[in-house]
Amino acid sequence: GAVVSQHPSRVICKSGTSVKIECRSLDFQATTMFWYRQFPKQSLMLMATSNEGSKATYEQGVEKDKFLINHASLTLSTLTVTSAHPEDSSFYICSATTAGGGLLGNEQFFGPGTRLTVL
Amino acid sequence: ILNVEQSPQSLHVQEGDSTNFTCSFPSSNFYALHWYRWETAKSPEALFVMTLNGDEKKKGRISATLNTKEGYSYLYIKGSQPEDSATYLCAFPNFGNEKLTFGTGTRLTIIP
Repeated sequence: GAVVSQHPSRVICKSGTSVKIECRSLDFQATTMFWYRQFPKQSLMLMATSNEGSKATYEQGVEKDKFLINHASLTLSTLTVTSAHPEDSSFYICSATTAGGGLLGNEQFFGPGTRLTVL
Repeated sequence: ILNVEQSPQSLHVQEGDSTNFTCSFPSSNFYALHWYRWETAKSPEALFVMTLNGDEKKKGRISATLNTKEGYSYLYIKGSQPEDSATYLCAFPNFGNEKLTFGTGTRLTIIP
């Protein structure tokens, strides 16, 4: 159980185009989904937190208009990198939790990630 | 900004040997620490969620200990096997919400 899929796994696009990445919880309802970015040899950096039916909360320094997040249902969140540039090339990974993190910080179930290369 | 550090950054261990590595985190406002294993080309998967000072958790040959007063956790692997090769991440929940701050990870390579 608790499987999260992410699509596509790899995408190469031209500078100026937009790329959409999907994150789906396959066998559970995810009240909260997280989007991370990983630079080479660095840790997972949280970009934004999204809750179903409401606007995403972005971390400091993450451009909302650049990285559009939609969490339309309890099983799907999308990240759209708009007008992509080479510096947006990175590894993007999503995770999902079930209801109520409480004080323990719910275990997060991760997708396999998407490698974005912008030419 | 929470400071979660892991050491060493990378580690090569002979098959059959035991090994351990460290995660250090802020000792104030502690309520949980997560360990994840991330194998290449796969999704990170949770190993342990630790909450109590002195706690020790075990999953097969992997175990973890927790010292909340001094702000560190050790992950131990006994009798390393090639399938243990992965990056091991620890993560510290932010107070009052579900966000996790991750360490940079320890990349473990088991040499057959």
